[in-house]
Amino acid sequence: AQSVTQLGSHVSVSEGALVLLRCNYSSSVPPYLFWYVQYPNQGLQLLLKYTSAATLVKGINGFEAEFKKSETSFHLTKPSAHMSDAAEYFCAVGGTGFQKLVFGTGTRLLVSP
Amino acid sequence: GAGVSQSPSNKVTEKGKDVELRCDPISGHTALYWYRQRLGQGLEFLIYFQGNSAPDKSGLPSDRFSAERTGESVSTLTIQRTQQEDSAVYLCASRTGLAGSTDTQYFGPGTRLTVL
Repeated sequence: AQSVTQLGSHVSVSEGALVLLRCNYSSSVPPYLFWYVQYPNQGLQLLLKYTSAATLVKGINGFEAEFKKSETSFHLTKPSAHMSDAAEYFCAVGGTGFQKLVFGTGTRLLVSP
Repeated sequence: GAGVSQSPSNKVTEKGKDVELRCDPISGHTALYWYRQRLGQGLEFLIYFQGNSAPDKSGLPSDRFSAERTGESVSTLTIQRTQQEDSAVYLCASRTGLAGSTDTQYFGPGTRLTVL
């Protein structure tokens, strides 16, 4: 079985500050891990994914995430927040095969001027 | 088309009515998924289609929910005798579906269903 826990339903940062969104996973098989972003009234867009290659994964819009097996974590970071980063972020875990994704409950990122 | 499309974008219905939601996957994608997103919650897996294999229906919440897919193209999610608890955004996703691949699921914009 697989599961994802996202700590913090809301995270608030100031523009220019570091963004850190936390994700911990549980998986009985080697996991594939994903971060998706959802802007208001839109579908999900892939930010980045980990598929057992490099543990530090770089994505779009300056985001990156590091896979830490010992901590079962895949936290999302961005050095400097922009107003346009305000959105909901979902962490998801999948396995091999048909890759049904199990999603966390999401973290809403609020960016203030 | 360039991306996954879904219709209608919004659907308001009365309790007890049946609804059909449509998904057009990216051309050539053999794998298609339906998810449900309730307000303030994450996505729940509903059903998965892969080529001509039997679909994985393990996420369907009740027998009021069903889905079909015509070959490797359009899929329809049907909810019979809708209940207020069915109100949610229904998201469709597709991917190439190559065996053992780790390719990305691409999501449509969703259908917002409101049951009055």
